Amino acid sequence: DGGITQSPKYLFRKEGQNVTLSCEQNLNHDAMYWYRQDPGQGLRLIYYSQIVNDFQKGDIAEGYSVSREKKESFPLTVTSAQKNPTAFYLCASSSTGSFTDTQYFGPGTRLTVL
Amino acid sequence: RKEVEQDPGPFNVPEGATVAFNCTYSNSASQSFFWYRQDCRKEPKLLMSVYSSGNEDGRFTAQLNRASQYISLLIRDSKLSDSATYLCVVNWSPGNTGKLIFGQGTTLQVKP
Repeated sequence: DGGITQSPKYLFRKEGQNVTLSCEQNLNHDAMYWYRQDPGQGLRLIYYSQIVNDFQKGDIAEGYSVSREKKESFPLTVTSAQKNPTAFYLCASSSTGSFTDTQYFGPGTRLTVL
Repeated sequence: RKEVEQDPGPFNVPEGATVAFNCTYSNSASQSFFWYRQDCRKEPKLLMSVYSSGNEDGRFTAQLNRASQYISLLIRDSKLSDSATYLCVVNWSPGNTGKLIFGQGTTLQVKP
């Protein structure tokens, strides 16, 4: 059963802590993406990767870091430098990263900073 | 001006009604257009791509007007299950990368 999985579904963090969100896909897609969604706003791109061992900053990369050591995995670390990390985080993937490709989303992780 | 703008609604319609959403985009070089559906507290899912000639999928029709830089989504014979937020998505980026620009979404509530 192909798809994208994200874990955990809900995450609570104390201020000053780093946390890592998991994203795995078994669709054999080359490109993977991380978005953030806040209430009443559209999704905003944090980081994306079109190929293993390479990634680029999106529109709101400050306070976040990623790695792409394996094709199927693209974890996102929310660092203590991120000033307002409470949000819904969505991971997506697409076949090649071409602008014509459909992006498919995982179920998301809701991060709350206490 | 926002890159992609939608009327956030909510649109409250009775079952069986026809409802239309519009979305405007600011970048005339945009190449690909999509409508995604997002249920409450869930991930977005592709509803349909939007082609220059317009396209239809059952009760859903999407249109693109490049001259005026807007896309539309028409839903006929609304069902209760159509209640969701509809995201207008435009894909354009230098260097052929897959950057999507999302509108804030239009919320539809279909009432019995």
